[in-house]
Amino acid sequence: SQKIEQNSEALNIQEGKTATLTCNYTNYSPAYLQWYRQDPGRGPVFLLLIRENEKEKRKERLKVTFDTTLKQSLFHITASQPADSATYLCALDAKEYGNKLVFGAGTILRVKS
Amino acid sequence: KAGVTQTPRYLIKTRGQQVTLSCSPISGHRSVSWYQQTPGQGLQFLFEYFSETQRNKGNFPGRFSGRQFSNSRSEMNVSTLELGDSALYLCASSLRTGEDSEQFFGPGTRLTVL
Repeated sequence: SQKIEQNSEALNIQEGKTATLTCNYTNYSPAYLQWYRQDPGRGPVFLLLIRENEKEKRKERLKVTFDTTLKQSLFHITASQPADSATYLCALDAKEYGNKLVFGAGTILRVKS
Repeated sequence: KAGVTQTPRYLIKTRGQQVTLSCSPISGHRSVSWYQQTPGQGLQFLFEYFSETQRNKGNFPGRFSGRQFSNSRSEMNVSTLELGDSALYLCASSLRTGEDSEQFFGPGTRLTVL
C-alpha cells in the first residue's frame, strides 16, 4: 500500500543545534516533494519544494535533500531557534492520482533554549 | 496581497445537519483545494477546483461536495453530518493546478459535530 511516514515522535533539540526531520514514502513516484510548517491553530505554510532531479535545495537556514532511490527526503534546520518549534509536514504529488498532494502526518519539533 | 480567507472560523453543528464552508483565494489564484485535518488521519485531500471545474477528488463519500465560482471563490458542503466529520477544514489556493504549484493555506474552519 502507499504511505508517507514522518518521525512519529516529537523531536526535541537544543537551541543552536541542527534539526533533521525525515520523510519516507512507499509506492509513490513523486515528481517533487514539498515541506510545510504548521503552527497550532493555523494552516500550513510552504517552506521548500524539491524536484526529483534535484539532490539538494537550500533556503537560509533550511536544507532539503531528496533521494529517489531511498525514497526519502531529509529536512534540516541549522542553528535552530525556539521560534522554529512547530509541526513540519512533507507532501508529495501523487502522479498516480492526478497529481494531488498527499501529506505525511507531520513531525513535531521542539527547540529548547 | 491579502491571504486566503475562510469563513466561518468556527462552527458547531449537530448530526444530520448540513454545513457550507467558504474560501476566498489569493487574488489571481485560480486553483482552490480543500483538505480535512484530524489528529488521527492528518491532512487528507478532499478535492481541487480550477477555473470552476473539479480537477481532482480524494477518497471521501458523496456527502462532501464543492464548487468554485467565476471569481475563483469556492464553497464546500457537507450534508448529513456525522460525528466523524469533526475536523479542521483547510482551503489552499495556488496560481496554477498540478505541476509544482506551491499551496497557500487559509487559517481553516474548525467544525465540531455534536
